[in-house]
Amino acid sequence: EAQLLESGGGLVQPGGSLRLSCEATGFTLSSDAMSWVRQAPGKGLEWVSIISSTGTNTYYADSVKGRFTISRDNPANTLYLQMNSLRADDTALYYCAKTISRRFVSWGQGTLVTVSS
Amino acid sequence: QSALTQPASVSGSPGQSITISCTGTSSDVGGYNYVSWYQHHPGKAPKLMIYEVSHRPSGVPDRFSGSKSGNTASLTISGLQAEDEADYYCCSYTSSSTLYVFGTGTTASVL
Repeated sequence: EAQLLESGGGLVQPGGSLRLSCEATGFTLSSDAMSWVRQAPGKGLEWVSIISSTGTNTYYADSVKGRFTISRDNPANTLYLQMNSLRADDTALYYCAKTISRRFVSWGQGTLVTVSS
Repeated sequence: QSALTQPASVSGSPGQSITISCTGTSSDVGGYNYVSWYQHHPGKAPKLMIYEVSHRPSGVPDRFSGSKSGNTASLTISGLQAEDEADYYCCSYTSSSTLYVFGTGTTASVL
């Protein structure tokens, strides 16, 4: 069964950095584009970033552009999100999602990022 | 890019039908047939229920259906069951630099 497992979340101070990971099991990550989607406490879903299957193309939401970097290690079957200059409004549950033809076909359970002093 | 507009809540009795609307603009919902719907039970991974406006992934019951008219997409759940109680989000591909926009979310309750 295809599964995605996020990790790397935690408590970080404003202005700090964090790197999230998303490990795929049961399928080969290199076949598909991958995205990060987040959900702030009590709020709705927000798309954050997407990376093509080969890692050549990346795109970001305006809210994180210039601060977050998406990357992937296909041999390791792992997706990453490097988050710098973190702000309080980046506090959220971060999901990784397998992305096919502009839809998010499978999701992980999420990893919680809390930005607070 | 503003979130797509959904009603905060909808409810129905078991066996009834409910419809959740998702209103955007010609730059997202109205401009593309890349509207998808996700079911989210709190604490669990979101689940794709409808893609490309009206297509169901395998395994999703045919009680779930999608449609679109102009800048508004809709998700209909027929024959409502207790397990359908969840949050539902629409999502559309957009022409803006933020490639995807989600809806504000709707809590569906089974009375």
